[in-house]
Amino acid sequence: KAGVTQTPRYLIKTRGQQVTLSCSPISGHRSVSWYQQTPGQGLQFLFEYFSETQRNKGNFPGRFSGRQFSNSRSEMNVSTLELGDSALYLCASSYSSEAYTFGSGTRLTVV
Amino acid sequence: EDQVTQSPEALRLQEGESSSLNCSYTVSGLRGLFWYRQDPGKGPEFLFTLYSAGEEKEKERLKATLTKKESFLHITAPKPEDSATYLCAVQAVGNTGGFKTIFGAGTRLFVKA
Repeated sequence: KAGVTQTPRYLIKTRGQQVTLSCSPISGHRSVSWYQQTPGQGLQFLFEYFSETQRNKGNFPGRFSGRQFSNSRSEMNVSTLELGDSALYLCASSYSSEAYTFGSGTRLTVV
Repeated sequence: EDQVTQSPEALRLQEGESSSLNCSYTVSGLRGLFWYRQDPGKGPEFLFTLYSAGEEKEKERLKATLTKKESFLHITAPKPEDSATYLCAVQAVGNTGGFKTIFGAGTRLFVKA
């Protein structure tokens, strides 16, 4: 059974650019959540999607957005990148918004 | 304000030395409490979900318990391979009807052979 796949694994971007991260959930999982993980702030909730609808959003600026497609795959976009956006971005999927399976993450470095 | 606090921040044990990790929380509308394990460079790995006070779950050397204000992760006779960061998270109903999940900062566990 394939796990949660996140691409790319590593990314280096320049301040002011935008970036799109991709997440393929476990087959059959309808809920996809995104998190930002940094050494100082730990794991912080970005948003959750269920059946293509955003059900909840964390306390992040509007530069952070996402979407979910009909096949449950999800993308996260960050516009006008700042140095502070450097982090590990984690995607997690679940069948019923209970036990989540996490991907290995995308390590974003903004220079 | 919803909050999850884990203690201690770091814990060093000798192999076979049992101990407990603590997760205290304040959240309105608790739906469930999760424990995860995270190894360096990897995403968190699901361990347990607890839903109500008094509930207990076990897996190998790990046992999780839940009260109305906190949860404990008991580690019995740990081995070096149990070394990892253990994360606690609470899930509650969000403002828009979905669920929000709040993670604690984690406890870094080191088990020496």
